[in-house]
Amino acid sequence: EVQLVESGGALVQPGGSLRLSCVASGFTFSDSWMTWVRQAPGKGLEWVANINQDGSQRYYVDSVRGRFTISRDNAKNSLCLQMNSLRAEDTAVYYCVIGGGYWWGQGTLVTVSS
Amino acid sequence: DVVMTQSPLSLPVTLGQPASISCRSSQSLVHSDGNTYLNWFQQRPGQSPWRLINKVSNRESGVPDRFSGSGSGTDFTLKINRVEAEDVGVYYCMQTTHGPPTFGQGTRVEIK
Repeated sequence: EVQLVESGGALVQPGGSLRLSCVASGFTFSDSWMTWVRQAPGKGLEWVANINQDGSQRYYVDSVRGRFTISRDNAKNSLCLQMNSLRAEDTAVYYCVIGGGYWWGQGTLVTVSS
Repeated sequence: DVVMTQSPLSLPVTLGQPASISCRSSQSLVHSDGNTYLNWFQQRPGQSPWRLINKVSNRESGVPDRFSGSGSGTDFTLKINRVEAEDVGVYYCMQTTHGPPTFGQGTRVEIK
């Protein structure tokens, strides 16, 4: 069974940093593009970043480029999102997603507030 | 970026009746490889989204056949043949033809 388990969400002050993790199982992680998608409270879905199979290609939505870094460790079947210079508008549930949406984790809540 | 526009944004439906959601893109979603990368997702209350349809009309495994997707170019439709209570939630279209991937605003389906 495919599983994506996110962790690392927390309450953080504006300007702070946070590192989200996603541990994958039940599929060949190293063969898959991986994606982070976020959803602000009561709002719609927003694609944040994705990374190709070997980590050589990484793409970001404009609003996080330069502040967020997506990475992966295929030996550990894990995906990460390093988030720096956090803003109130980054408050959201962050989902770990396989490729273009094949499977979603349960999400982890990031709250940026003083 | 490609703008995805869904309509309606709210859709009250009667159990057993059909429902239809429109999704329009600001530019053609036909990829240079000939495929059209338009997906539909369902998000039930309190749950993560899950993909119902990929590449316009391909139902994912486990998706009831009352769900169908159609369309081409810039105009796409998700249809629910006969709405059941478990279909309540928000439906999103999403394109991955052009970078960055973009979602529609979502359509909330509720039972009358």
